[in-house]
Amino acid sequence: DTAVSQTPKYLVTQMGNDKSIKCEQNLGHDTMYWYKQDSKKFLKIMFSYNNKELIINETVPNRFSPKSPDKAHLNLHINSLELGDSAVYFCASSHGTSLYEQFFGPGTRLTVL
Amino acid sequence: TQLLEQSPQFLSIQEGENLTVYCNSSSVFSSLQWYRQEPGEGPVLLVTVVTGGEVKKLKRLTFQFGDARKDSSLHITAAQPGDTGLYLCAGARGNQFYFGTGTSLTVIP
Repeated sequence: DTAVSQTPKYLVTQMGNDKSIKCEQNLGHDTMYWYKQDSKKFLKIMFSYNNKELIINETVPNRFSPKSPDKAHLNLHINSLELGDSAVYFCASSHGTSLYEQFFGPGTRLTVL
Repeated sequence: TQLLEQSPQFLSIQEGENLTVYCNSSSVFSSLQWYRQEPGEGPVLLVTVVTGGEVKKLKRLTFQFGDARKDSSLHITAAQPGDTGLYLCAGARGNQFYFGTGTSLTVIP
């Protein structure tokens, strides 16, 4: 069983479109995250949810909106996609924050044309 | 400017050699983690260090947390091709982790 899964694995779309990336974890964790990894492999946190409540919201354009329907899911919706949104997006989960191991999904490679 | 700077950024060595990767910051962290990421996959945790000066060993990998909890190092002895990957440090402040700039290691057979 996959601990943290993301769909789709690859996403190619045109500028201006709206798209969603889904994330599910079956580890029973109460904290989930979205990260963006750029072309230089730098991994930057975007959002963090704890028990379905937003606890971290970095300086991310409001075109990005996370949705957590329950503790096991954290989806990422992106409106009006721009070229600069092209990156690999990782979902992760942990049992808590700070001291706990983060389990990462396999990533979603988003390419905006 | 990133909160955690790693050096070197790229490292290519022959199998059997030793190497050290550094993770430096001017900020204090409550804990620090090291992850390894392979192409097409997400990062996987290697170790968590919590106490200043702490040293942890994982087979051929030795991790050290600086006394002031601002920096860390990863030393690999007798590197093997299976060690190839992107190594990321991540420091915890409050309820958030800040990832380092990454070190891409290639071990040539």
